[in-house]
Amino acid sequence: GEDVEQSLFLSVREGDSSVINCTYTDSSSTYLYWYKQEPGAGLQLLTYIFSNMDMKQDQRLTVLLNKKDKHLSLRIADTQTGDSAIYFCAETLPLSGGYNKLIFGAGTRLAVHP
Amino acid sequence: GAVVSQHPSRVICKSGTSVKIECRSLDFQATTMFWYRQFPKQSLMLMATSNEGSKATYEQGVEKDKFLINHASLTLSTLTVTSAHPEDSSFYICSASQLRGALSQETQYFGPGTRLLVL
Repeated sequence: GEDVEQSLFLSVREGDSSVINCTYTDSSSTYLYWYKQEPGAGLQLLTYIFSNMDMKQDQRLTVLLNKKDKHLSLRIADTQTGDSAIYFCAETLPLSGGYNKLIFGAGTRLAVHP
Repeated sequence: GAVVSQHPSRVICKSGTSVKIECRSLDFQATTMFWYRQFPKQSLMLMATSNEGSKATYEQGVEKDKFLINHASLTLSTLTVTSAHPEDSSFYICSASQLRGALSQETQYFGPGTRLLVL
């Protein structure tokens, strides 16, 4: 089935680390993505991880993938007020021609307070 | 990075009218574009996959006669909401796919969204 689950809300203090968790169901997903959405805006691609990787680090962002448990996490180091947004994880289902259909979680609203 | 635009960003229309939303990939060609719908405080739901030069593939439960999709060129896809009703009010977001690199890794780039309000 197609189901991606995320916790709905996370509140952190500025300067602390944020960890957003996600579970997915399709073990055939080639890539898993993290997108950021600010109020009234579209989605911004933050990072992605290939399914044969365990970890990917990109500046303040660290993605961990536990393929056995189908668990994905996004860690934001030194969280800033500008990181306040909704974060969506997405799994991929293959379509023809090398393209993929994205299945999104409900989104985690990250609130950063002083 | 790749840029995707949508027009209009916001539209208010009367019930029964049709509304056209454009999605453009500005600096790359997109054989495949996707249309999503997002209700307040909810996730994105894929409505249809738009393929250049062929018919769109609609997700289960999406009325293809109500949501007309045309992908006439490699940089433009349009979504027309026909005979709009208040329940069609939503945030519509498109994305355009690009295959890159030797492994043809696909990345979807999203437009800024169009907020539709049907009175």
